[in-house]
Amino acid sequence: AQKITQTQPGMFVQEKEAVTLDCTYDTSDQSYGLFWYKQPSSGEMIFLIYQGSYDEQNATEGRYSLNFQKARKSANLVISASQLGDSAMYFCAMRETGGGNKLTFGTGTQLKVEL
Amino acid sequence: GAGVSQSPSNKVTEKGKDVELRCDPISGHTALYWYRQSLGQGLEFLIYFQGNSAPDKSGLPSDRFSAERTGGSVSTLTIQRTQQEDSAVYLCASSLALGPGNTIYFGEGSWLTVV
Repeated sequence: AQKITQTQPGMFVQEKEAVTLDCTYDTSDQSYGLFWYKQPSSGEMIFLIYQGSYDEQNATEGRYSLNFQKARKSANLVISASQLGDSAMYFCAMRETGGGNKLTFGTGTQLKVEL
Repeated sequence: GAGVSQSPSNKVTEKGKDVELRCDPISGHTALYWYRQSLGQGLEFLIYFQGNSAPDKSGLPSDRFSAERTGGSVSTLTIQRTQQEDSAVYLCASSLALGPGNTIYFGEGSWLTVV
């Protein structure tokens, strides 16, 4: 079974609009962390936001917020007021206590912001 | 340096040759990871090091791949007798410690092309 599932291979959004990128996960651990990374065409993996499994509030970092629904095992990324520079590949990832502490990645969502 | 540093940034090698890829983690980070990303694909875990513990090599695809970490800092990933399917971006990452809440930061990657 996939540990991290991103069902949207590609998304389009207009500049200044908000967009939600979906991520669901599968784990039996009680303690885990969920991460989103941005990968522009240059190839660098840029950390965006983190949500801990015990955090009761949704994480926010500037224009990024994470919609964490623990019971549904979903951790969607919301980007508000999209900018052209947001065009990139976005990866959801999970780090489990029992998973050797390595990050397991989803297959990514390619986001394109249009004028 | 401020971030994870990798070298070379680009490497073209002939099939059958050995290559070494170097990673210098963020100062003070005890955990170091290697991932591989083939063209248009997600990230594949290769190996991680934590302090003086034995490395987790569970992701290495074959015995042609090896890695070492000297003095708890710099790491070298070695690929022997390279094959064309080894062509990929090799990403190094580090985190302050293990545990789900410790963010993993990535370098810009080493782009390997085997011709």
